[in-house]
Amino acid sequence: AQTVTQSQPEMSVQEAETVTLSCTYDTSESNYYLFWYKQPPSRQMILVIRQEAYKQQNATENRFSVNFQKAAKSFSLKISDSQLGDTAMYFCAFGLIQGAQKLVFGQGTRLTINP
Amino acid sequence: NAGVTQTPKFQVLKTGQSMTLQCAQDMNHNSMYWYRQDPGMGLRLIYYSASEGTTDKGEVPNGYNVSRLNKREFSLRLESAAPSQTSVYFCASRYGTSGNNEQFFGPGTRLTVL
Repeated sequence: AQTVTQSQPEMSVQEAETVTLSCTYDTSESNYYLFWYKQPPSRQMILVIRQEAYKQQNATENRFSVNFQKAAKSFSLKISDSQLGDTAMYFCAFGLIQGAQKLVFGQGTRLTINP
Repeated sequence: NAGVTQTPKFQVLKTGQSMTLQCAQDMNHNSMYWYRQDPGMGLRLIYYSASEGTTDKGEVPNGYNVSRLNKREFSLRLESAAPSQTSVYFCASRYGTSGNNEQFFGPGTRLTVL
């Protein structure tokens, strides 16, 4: 079975700063995807970024980028030039490539961006 | 498109009561999912339906039943609610039956069991 661990329950930074959220996972599989989801106070789950395990290049989406270390089973999210709208819970998630993509989520990190 | 819709948004039940949470998607997605979110924990998969006509158990299926009514709708039923089922319930859907297609989530249902 797969597990996902987010060791930072809460983080807080000033607007425009860069922040990195940590995620580690455990699996014996080799073909999988990793995701970061954002959950603002509205409760809506929003996909931020995804990474295919077979790709060596780290994924980027505008101000969001990941540092994917497959051997270390680490998948951190970097938010550059943070904005007030980035305030949210952030969840790391794991899904196998084969099958129905049953996502396994971490516990979440509550990120607050201060003005 | 409305995306993924869930009804109701809020519900309070007494222990032992039953209810059905409704979920519908208008994106012609094949796969649908039910998750629960408890405080201090991430989402956990209750049941999923990889395609119309099929359903399978997830990580925490006990106390729940599901019905994939058609391609659009996937309902979650609590036959005899217990306080341990107090949670926020999310429905999600995805186009593909495998691969990395994004899961789209509904707005959630906050359920309290007294």
